Amino acid sequence: DGGITQSPKYLFRKEGQNVTLSCEQNLNHDAMYWYRQDPGQGLRLIYYSQIVNDFQKGDIAEGYSVSREKKESFPLTVTSAQKNPTAFYLCASSIVRSSASTDTQYFGPGTRLTVL
Amino acid sequence: AQSVTQLGSHVSVSEGALVLLRCNYSSSVPPYLFWYVQYPNQGLQLLLKYTTGATLVKGINGFEAEFKKSETSFHLTKPSAHMSDAAEYFCAVSSPVFTGTASKLTFGTGTRLQVTL
Repeated sequence: DGGITQSPKYLFRKEGQNVTLSCEQNLNHDAMYWYRQDPGQGLRLIYYSQIVNDFQKGDIAEGYSVSREKKESFPLTVTSAQKNPTAFYLCASSIVRSSASTDTQYFGPGTRLTVL
Repeated sequence: AQSVTQLGSHVSVSEGALVLLRCNYSSSVPPYLFWYVQYPNQGLQLLLKYTTGATLVKGINGFEAEFKKSETSFHLTKPSAHMSDAAEYFCAVSSPVFTGTASKLTFGTGTRLQVTL
């Protein structure tokens, strides 16, 4: 089955530690995205990538880093510089068309990160 | 710049009653509009989307939405609520993008739908 997988589903971290969230897709999508979800605030874009080895900051990139070494994978690292990392993190992907258009983003099941 | 406002963070309806979730948008260019649903501790699932053409859009699970440019609205409706509709619903907007550019979505803050017996 094609889809997006995120692991782990629940993650606990001590203050001051970096942690990496996994996101893998087998939809052959070019673009991948990371969002953060907090209660009452909707989803906010952290980083996105349109192509391998390239990525751009979203609205709340401070304290996060990403890499895009493979088309299928877009891991997110939450660094110790992120002041309030406890949240639900969602990964998404979409195609990038060859003509002016927009495309649906498909979401993974999410990872809930809790800082202890 | 684009933005989305969802009126009402919580909506409660009786089973069998009409569901109406409100979404207003702001966009400097003709928008593309989306409704997603999220069940507890899960990702988002697309309900429906409007890009161009017919302004009344039908989606999954009996939901539909109408794009009204004059009112800058894209409200989500369902004629008869079912218990399984209880979830959080997000409205989102994006703009047409150039060739080879990924689309970026701006989300509303969500509306939690409660369905009672």
